[in-house]
Amino acid sequence: GAVVSQHPSRVICKSGTSVKIECRSLDFQATTMFWYRQFPKQSLMLMATSNEGSKATYEQGVEKDKFLINHASLTLSTLTVTSAHPEDSSFYICSARDSANYSPLHFGNGTRLTVT
Amino acid sequence: QKEVEQDPGPLSVPEGAIVSLNCTYSNSAFQYFMWYRQYSRKGPELLMYTYSSGNKEDGRFTAQVDKSSKYISLFIRDSQPSDSATYLCAMSANTGFQKLVFGTGTRLLVSP
Repeated sequence: GAVVSQHPSRVICKSGTSVKIECRSLDFQATTMFWYRQFPKQSLMLMATSNEGSKATYEQGVEKDKFLINHASLTLSTLTVTSAHPEDSSFYICSARDSANYSPLHFGNGTRLTVT
Repeated sequence: QKEVEQDPGPLSVPEGAIVSLNCTYSNSAFQYFMWYRQYSRKGPELLMYTYSSGNKEDGRFTAQVDKSSKYISLFIRDSQPSDSATYLCAMSANTGFQKLVFGTGTRLLVSP
């Protein structure tokens, strides 16, 4: 089945630093990838849609200058949390859909970000 | 009112029981319905997806959609301890399975 790889799985950083999270589709091409955030005991909330070769589309309330998204190839999207603060601590999950097939999203294993 | 409502549980059952997990929704535009399983500290794993109303079966899992009632269900037969996880329903209104709206998830505990 489709595999989405996300790295790192866990990161701890100090307040004010930036953190980059990578999302790769391993056995398919994805023109579109999605970034979600999940707080404890809450549902996944879509943050932004990452489009290969063009600007990302952000959901209402998500700061585009804080959460920088780059989708430079058909298999890689990155999310950079800039100037992280403790309130940014969360579980970030990416997902992708095989561009060649009409199928639901497959998710990465997530990145747990802790900002101290 | 949330677009998708799901009882957070936990739901505790003995091994071998039939499990029923449910979600209700308010947006009549939803056409695509998915169930994901999420283990602790992992990303969601797609279990099943259906389009519009009806039933779909895959092994021990059966998904049902009743659009008239805006109600979807996932049944797990012969439940196993390895089924212990959080089950998330998700829905989409468009053909690209984009903009998924998730329930909060139901935590299932299957005891040996």
